[in-house]
Amino acid sequence: AQKITQTQPGMFVQEKEAVTLDCTYDTSDPSYGLFWYKQPSSGEMIFLIYQGSYDQQNATEGRYSLNFQKARKSANLVISASQLGDSAMYFCAMREGFSGNQFYFGTGTSLTVIP
Amino acid sequence: GAGVSQSPRYKVAKRGQDVALRCDPISGHVSLFWYQQALGQGPEFLTYFQNEAQLDKSGLPSDRFFAERPEGSVSTLKIQRTQQEDSAVYLCASSYPGTSGRPRNEQFFGPGTRLTVL
Repeated sequence: AQKITQTQPGMFVQEKEAVTLDCTYDTSDPSYGLFWYKQPSSGEMIFLIYQGSYDQQNATEGRYSLNFQKARKSANLVISASQLGDSAMYFCAMREGFSGNQFYFGTGTSLTVIP
Repeated sequence: GAGVSQSPRYKVAKRGQDVALRCDPISGHVSLFWYQQALGQGPEFLTYFQNEAQLDKSGLPSDRFFAERPEGSVSTLKIQRTQQEDSAVYLCASSYPGTSGRPRNEQFFGPGTRLTVL
């Protein structure tokens, strides 16, 4: 079974609108961390936001927020007030256990912001 | 700069050639990771170092892949007798402070090396 599933290969959003990128995960470990990374065409993975499995509140970082629904095992990324520079690939990732070695990545969602 | 750097950024190799990819992690970062990212896919874990010790190499696809970090800083990923299926972007990431159990402990990624095997 896939650890991370991103079902939206591509998404379009109008500039200044909000967009939600979906992510579901699969783990039996009660301790885990969920991450979202942005990968522009330059190739570098840029950390956006983190949600720990025991965090009581949804994470927020500026225009990024994470809609964490633990029972449904989903961790959707919400980008508010989209900007042209937000056009990129977005990857959801999970680390099992707080000291786990590796990140499991989804296949990514390509976001295009339309002016 | 203070980020993770990788060299070369692009490498073209003939099938059967050996290649070496270099990663300079962020100074002071204990953990170093290598990932392979095929076209249109997410990164897949290859191997992990804590300082100079290679603690996990479960993701290396074959014995043609070898990684080292002899002094606990710079790391080299070597691929022997390259095959066309090795064509991918190879990403290096580092994090601090290793496996201390910090919940967040995000990984910082380099720009990657795009390897094309002809």
